[in-house]
Amino acid sequence: KAGVTQTPRYLIKTRGQQVTLSCSPISGHRSVSWYQQTPGQGLQFLFEYFSETQRNKGNFPGRFSGRQFSNSRSEMNVSTLELGDSALYLCASTWVGTSYEQYFGPGTRLTVT
Amino acid sequence: QKEVEQNSGPLSVPEGAIASLNCTYSDRGSQSFFWYRQYSGKSPELIMSIYSNGDKEDGRFTAQLNKASQYVSLLIRDSQPSDSATYLCAPRGRTGANNLFFGTGTRLTVIP
Repeated sequence: KAGVTQTPRYLIKTRGQQVTLSCSPISGHRSVSWYQQTPGQGLQFLFEYFSETQRNKGNFPGRFSGRQFSNSRSEMNVSTLELGDSALYLCASTWVGTSYEQYFGPGTRLTVT
Repeated sequence: QKEVEQNSGPLSVPEGAIASLNCTYSDRGSQSFFWYRQYSGKSPELIMSIYSNGDKEDGRFTAQLNKASQYVSLLIRDSQPSDSATYLCAPRGRTGANNLFFGTGTRLTVIP
């Protein structure tokens, strides 16, 4: 089975712009979670989508949003980018059943200048 | 109090030794626990999951869970230089919440 894929892998944006990141989960996995990783804060949960619905949300401002499509692919959007949004954005997919193991994609490295 | 506490290290062990990584968590409602390995510049890789009190072994890795003490650990036997990485402990949120809470990770260096 192919793993989790994320596009793009690297992105450079300017303050005030917006960005959309994409995640394709492992085939058959219906839950997609998004995380932000920075040197200072570590890995922090952004939100989780299951069956096109946001089930959980972390403590991030409303500038961070996401959605999930019927094929389980997910996108996250960050509007009005700030310098502090520079981070590695990771998505993880889960086959929702008895294990809840999350498998991470390679991540998107976002740099805001 | 942080939700997940790990010794940030660095932890250095000689090749062939046992590396012991520890983690405490604050949410008594957590039922599932995961250990991830992250190499520098890479994404986290799942290496162990544990759901019940006691030990779970998988190859050179053994995870130990004590829910009463809110403590989970990972032992790596016969440590290899390729085990040098940051190890992240991640309890899952309460039932119905598929979010992981990550510790800051323990950086392990295996010395040849």
